[in-house]
Amino acid sequence: NAGVTQTPKFQVLKTGQSMTLQCAQDMNHNSMYWYRQDPGMGLRLIYYSASEGTTDKGEVPNGYNVSRLNKREFSLRLESAAPSQTSVYFCASSDRTGMNTEAFFGQGTRLTVV
Amino acid sequence: AQSVTQLDSHVSVSEGTPVLLRCNYSSSYSPSLFWYVQHPNKGLQLLLKYTSAATLVKGINGFEAEFKKSETSFHLTKPSAHMSDAAEYFCVVSFTSGGSYIPTFGRGTSLIVHP
Repeated sequence: NAGVTQTPKFQVLKTGQSMTLQCAQDMNHNSMYWYRQDPGMGLRLIYYSASEGTTDKGEVPNGYNVSRLNKREFSLRLESAAPSQTSVYFCASSDRTGMNTEAFFGQGTRLTVV
Repeated sequence: AQSVTQLDSHVSVSEGTPVLLRCNYSSSYSPSLFWYVQHPNKGLQLLLKYTSAATLVKGINGFEAEFKKSETSFHLTKPSAHMSDAAEYFCVVSFTSGGSYIPTFGRGTSLIVHP
């Protein structure tokens, strides 16, 4: 049972470099999400995709772009990394048809921008 | 506006004593409520969820939460703490936006368990 798979698990970038975080789910879920976790802030929503072909901004979208490649995959791109983007990133998915359906999370990507 | 507030950033208990982690929410309609746990350097695991079938919800590892609509609260409890309960706990409320449910996190409560 793979669930939600994120790659890579760890990454160090230099300021100004770009990278894409990959996320895939095998639960046939419609909705997918990207969060960042910073100490004392909980998880904050960056972008989400309610269904294949749609994406919307969350609470902290600046500096990020996303692509819902197909129903399974939802990627997060940093075009020009900044030290403020040092964080742990989590991808999640859920079945949007049930209001009490929980979200399932990947194991996270720890990103450091130097 | 929808929001979720965890009232304590840290809670410290002794092993074998009760645990209470507090969560309040603000919602204009009946919410979807969850508690997640995150052990150090790990992902997030669902502890329990409120489904409106009962106000007292039982979860994994002996945790429970009670939904109190009049107080807009969903506090997490456990009768007797174990060392393995030391972790970060998140109260989560799902709000609707454009037909999708958006999990919104509280800032988290760090549970410290002393021997």
